[in-house]
This record gives sequence, C-alpha cells and structure tokens, in this order.
Amino acid sequence: GQNIDQPTEMTATEGAIVQINCTYQTSGFNGLFWYQQHAGEAPTFLSYNVLDGLEEKGRFSSFLSRSKGYSYLLLKELQMKDSASYLCAASDSNYQLIWGAGTKLIIKP
Amino acid sequence: DTAVSQTPKYLVTQMGNDKSIKCEQNLGHDTMYWYKQDSKKFLKIMFSYNNKELIINETVPNRFSPKSPDKAHLNLHINSLELGDSAVYFCASSQENTPEMNTEAFFGQGTRLTVV
Repeated sequence: GQNIDQPTEMTATEGAIVQINCTYQTSGFNGLFWYQQHAGEAPTFLSYNVLDGLEEKGRFSSFLSRSKGYSYLLLKELQMKDSASYLCAASDSNYQLIWGAGTKLIIKP
Repeated sequence: DTAVSQTPKYLVTQMGNDKSIKCEQNLGHDTMYWYKQDSKKFLKIMFSYNNKELIINETVPNRFSPKSPDKAHLNLHINSLELGDSAVYFCASSQENTPEMNTEAFFGQGTRLTVV
C-alpha cells in the first residue's frame, strides 16, 4: 500500500533550527512536496524535490533521498509565525499526491 | 484576487440533507481536485478532474459527485448527508502534471461541513 509517515508533533524554540522528517512508500514516485498549513487555513506550497539532494529556499530547505524513501524539511532561524502543521506529500506514478497527516510544529519563545 | 475560492466557508446541516460546495479557480489551471481533511488532519483526495478525465478515489461513497460546468469550476454535491461526512473540504487546482512538469496545487480556503 501507499503510506507517508511523519511525526505528529514537534516543539522548538524561537531562533533555533528544526528538522521534520518524512518517510514514504508509494506506487511509483514523481517527487515529494512540503506544504505549510496554519490552523484553520488552507495548505500552501513550500517546496518540491524530485532529485536526490538539498533544495534551499531562504530559511527553509528540503532534502530527498529516493533510495531511502526519505525526506526532511529544515527550518532555520525559527519565528513564532512558523507555528503551523507541515504536510509531506509524495506524488505517485499517476501524479496523485499521497499525503501524510502533518507534523504540528509548536514554537516557544 | 483569490486564486482558488470556494463557498461557503462554513456549512451546518442536518443528516439526510443534500448540499453543494462551489469552487472556482482563476489561475487557468487544467486540473481541479476535491480533498477531505478529517479530524485527524489527514488530507485525502476525493476526486481529480481535468477536461479529459475524472479520477475518483474508490473509497468515496457515490453520494458524493463532482460537477464541472467548465474548466474553471468544480462543484461538489453531496446527497443524503451523514454524521461521518463532517470534515473540512478543500478544493484545489494545478497545471496538468506530466513527466516533464509536476507542479504544486493551490488550495481554496476550505469549507467546514458539520452534519448534525
């Protein structure tokens, strides 16, 4: 079957760095997406990886290892506004997104 | 301008009723989707639709039906609502995904459906 696993909740301190891990099992693979979802709002796109390696975009970076079925989202210089859920989604052979349940990130002062 | 808009934002209704949620996108995208996000926050795709093909998640009850009058609109009709249908429903759109291009989806603000 198809499955995405990521931690349910993480806590970090303002100004610090946090890494949110995601492992996936899909029928075929056409890339991995990270989305941010604030409470009561729609998910918004953060990053997309299809090749192995690190993609950096400002304070956020995303890493992919296709051989390990593994990705992580790295958030640097954490700000209070980064408190949100972070959703990992893998694109399968039909380009359908298989979603994880999201990791709720709590930032403390 | 809102890229993907859906209405209503909140919908409270009684069991057994029939209701619709409307969705419109002004991004010129080819593909639109309906997702259900339950209380455990899982996002599950219900339908994806472009002007060529409707893909239905086989786990979706046939009480749910998408209706697309044109490529900018994909409405969701739900018949004989049940308590378990209570959830947040998100509409989304994207360019058609191909081996050359796999693009992100843009989401509407969600419709919180409560069945009582």
